[in-house]
Amino acid sequence: EVQLVQTGGGLIQPGGSLRLSCAAFGFTVSNNYMNWVRQAPGKGLEWVSLIYSGGDTHYADSVKGRFTISRDNSKNTVYLQMDSLRAEDTALYYCSQTGAFNIWGQGTMVTVS
Amino acid sequence: EIVLTQSPDFQSVTPKERVTITCRASQSIGTRLYWYQQKPDQSPKVLVKEGSQSLSGVPSRFSGSGSGTDFTLTIESLEAEDAATYYCHQRSSLPETFGQGTKLEIK
Repeated sequence: EVQLVQTGGGLIQPGGSLRLSCAAFGFTVSNNYMNWVRQAPGKGLEWVSLIYSGGDTHYADSVKGRFTISRDNSKNTVYLQMDSLRAEDTALYYCSQTGAFNIWGQGTMVTVS
Repeated sequence: EIVLTQSPDFQSVTPKERVTITCRASQSIGTRLYWYQQKPDQSPKVLVKEGSQSLSGVPSRFSGSGSGTDFTLTIESLEAEDAATYYCHQRSSLPETFGQGTKLEIK
């Protein structure tokens, strides 16, 4: 079964760091484009970051310089390292694969307070 | 940044009704548009990709159309389980962006 399983997240003070993980099953992350998308409580979806199969990475302006997307091919896992966290980063974070498999992880909550 | 504007923001509909949700892009995006359904406390689910391509496992009552700046998601013969918020998403240029969402309530 093709799926994404997320871990990480939690409650963190402003200025702190967290790392989110997204393990893929049934497909290879290094061959696919992978996204992080977030959703603040009661709000809509906001694109955060992506990593292409070739390794290029891109970020929303709101997180550029603070968040880093990466992947570990041996673990078939994508990560989102979040530094210098702010209250406005509080959200449910989803990883997703768009285009080939079109699947989303279950989401993981990050609360900055 | 490409802005996606959905209409309506909210719609109350009866079962078996035909529903149309529109998504307008601030500039041409070809057919690089996806539609998602999100039910409360669930992850978004992809309904349509690349403007009009259906996905395996998605009920046939969901269809997408459009290109350039104007897109439509149509739900034929609405069912009670279709109560959800629907989002469009463009992948034409970075940053990727989402519409603000359309909430469907079933009467």
